[in-house]
Amino acid sequence: AQSVSQHNHHVILSEAASLELGCNYSYGGTVNLFWYVQYPGQHLQLLLKYFSGDPLVKGIKGFEAEFIKSKFSFNLRKPSVQWSDTAEYFCAVKDTGRRALTFGSGTRLQVQP
Amino acid sequence: EAQVTQNPRYLITVTGKKLTVTCSQNMNHEYMSWYRQDPGLGLRQIYYSMNVEVTDKGDVPEGYKVSRKEKRNFPLILESPSPNQTSLYFCASSSRDSTSYEQYFGPGTRLTVT
Repeated sequence: AQSVSQHNHHVILSEAASLELGCNYSYGGTVNLFWYVQYPGQHLQLLLKYFSGDPLVKGIKGFEAEFIKSKFSFNLRKPSVQWSDTAEYFCAVKDTGRRALTFGSGTRLQVQP
Repeated sequence: EAQVTQNPRYLITVTGKKLTVTCSQNMNHEYMSWYRQDPGLGLRQIYYSMNVEVTDKGDVPEGYKVSRKEKRNFPLILESPSPNQTSLYFCASSSRDSTSYEQYFGPGTRLTVT
């Protein structure tokens, strides 16, 4: 069974700091990769996704992620965070054999003004 | 507006009292699923449905039932809730189009079983 690891459980940054959240997955076959964001009290929203092609994916709100196949990683980045980025971030993987997403445990990001 | 709705949003109940959480989507999506979210565990899939009358177990189906009699609705049923089912529940839907796989999530239902 595939699994997804998010090693940073809680990250605290000051505004304007750069962000990188790690995501590693275990499945060796073809995968689709996603980052979702959950703002306080809200439902999950898709930030970005990777299906194929350019491994550097740009999403909404200035976020991007890089798929590195050899490292089984899909790290999320943002050059300069804002207070409004305070949220929980989930990495998710879908392999071609399943319809369901497998989620990581989430990373809580707290941005201090 | 394209959306997934869930009701109720908050529910406190007692052990053993049957309950149903409704989920409805207005995007004509074929695929619907239920997840539960627990601290430190992320989201785990409970049940999913590929289309009307087609349902299957996810990763944590024990203690839950679902039905899919209409395309837009996918209720989650807890026949005899227990305290370990206290959690935040999300319904999600997506189209069958495999080139644009994106799940749309509902606002969540916070369930407390005492």
